[in-house]
Amino acid sequence: QKEVEQDPGPLSVPEGAIVSLNCTYSNSAFQYFMWYRQYSRKGPELLMYTYSSGNKEDGRFTAQVDKSSKYISLFIRDSQPSDSATYLCAFGGSQGNLIFGKGTKLSVKP
Amino acid sequence: SAVISQKPSRDICQRGTSLTIQCQVDSQVTMMFWYRQQPGQSLTLIATANQGSEATYESGFVIDKFPISRPNLTFSTLTVSNMSPEDSSIYLCSARLAGTYEQYFGPGTRLTVT
Repeated sequence: QKEVEQDPGPLSVPEGAIVSLNCTYSNSAFQYFMWYRQYSRKGPELLMYTYSSGNKEDGRFTAQVDKSSKYISLFIRDSQPSDSATYLCAFGGSQGNLIFGKGTKLSVKP
Repeated sequence: SAVISQKPSRDICQRGTSLTIQCQVDSQVTMMFWYRQQPGQSLTLIATANQGSEATYESGFVIDKFPISRPNLTFSTLTVSNMSPEDSSIYLCSARLAGTYEQYFGPGTRLTVT
């Protein structure tokens, strides 16, 4: 079983749709959970991070963590063409370095 | 948050030569990292840059090929030595903000080896 699994997509949605991006993990030692957004030819941008199970909301974005199921999600409401990017989940533990998913490429069509 | 700059942003190099990439952070950070990203792929950690001591390398990466320096808390360099076309990739500097688990990335250095 891979340590982190993320559907690579690509995922194409119409403008205004609700987008759900998901990752599963197997390592119970992960303590913090992050989502990065990466535009083409740019570095990853930290979008959201959380340390506990539950939901965390920031504008149109909601990060959800379910530690019992080892599952995290990122929801994007009212998606915009500017949300078109690759989204990477990342997991961290006591060792300090992050473990990344493969990334999901999202395209929001106007 | 932290703003990370990298120089150069891109370069085209000949086989057998070396390139040094510089990374500067504008905030207090604890850990600094170097990653490699192949086009369309996820990030692979090369090493953790340690201030005042040798970097900690991941499996498959060695100091002779990727020497790393971190002379102070906010600056690090990565050298790609004796380059071959297989080293063509994007190299990303990253740093963790002091007192948090937040990790930020630079814009990357796009390296092409001919």
